[in-house]
Amino acid sequence: QLQLQESGPGLVKPSETLSLTCTVSGGSINSGSYYWGWIRQPPGKGLEWIGSIYYSGSPYYNPSLNSRVTISVDTSKNQFSLKLTSVTAADTAVYYCARHIVATPRGGLDIWGLGTRLTVSS
Amino acid sequence: QSVLTLPPSASGTPGQRVTISCSGSSSNIGGNTVNWYQQLPGTAPKLLIYNNNQRPSGVPDRFSGSKSGTSASLAISGLQSEDEADYYCATWDDSLNGVVFGGGTKLTVL
Repeated sequence: QLQLQESGPGLVKPSETLSLTCTVSGGSINSGSYYWGWIRQPPGKGLEWIGSIYYSGSPYYNPSLNSRVTISVDTSKNQFSLKLTSVTAADTAVYYCARHIVATPRGGLDIWGLGTRLTVSS
Repeated sequence: QSVLTLPPSASGTPGQRVTISCSGSSSNIGGNTVNWYQQLPGTAPKLLIYNNNQRPSGVPDRFSGSKSGTSASLAISGLQSEDEADYYCATWDDSLNGVVFGGGTKLTVL
């Protein structure tokens, strides 16, 4: 059964770069049948899509974060990663990785990780 | 301000039917399929409905989805206490070239 697990530092200082990794187990990230995405949820607020990527590239990003975000794939490790530069307190959130149900980011997200909490604070 | 509009709250009594409506525009709901998610307190979201009205394996048929024009709806029949959760609609927005979520509806089972 496919599982996703996020990993990250937990705490990042303002202006620094956030790096998170999603490890896929129970299946291959390069099966070619899915897009893979990152979503976040600030404390007490709703869901915000960050971006999604195919195993061979072709990322899509939230326009509101586009200048600060990079999503990449490492097929050798069966992982995909998120980098967010110049973080502020507004980036404090639970970050989720998830799988799109089809090979396009237009599809629903059917498998989610448990989420990793990230706090931006000095 | 979310691109998709959901009521902030909804409620019903056990056994009742509840409907949550999600309003969008021609650039999102009007031209793309809608997905619905359920988020129980303290847990990750769960895909409840995809492609407007399809249920993933394991989702009870008490949950149903529909779409008309630039709006979509989630209906829950035979409301149960374990349905108390936050519900989100989501779709692709052609203008933003990305996924958009509604702000979320908190469903209370009275």
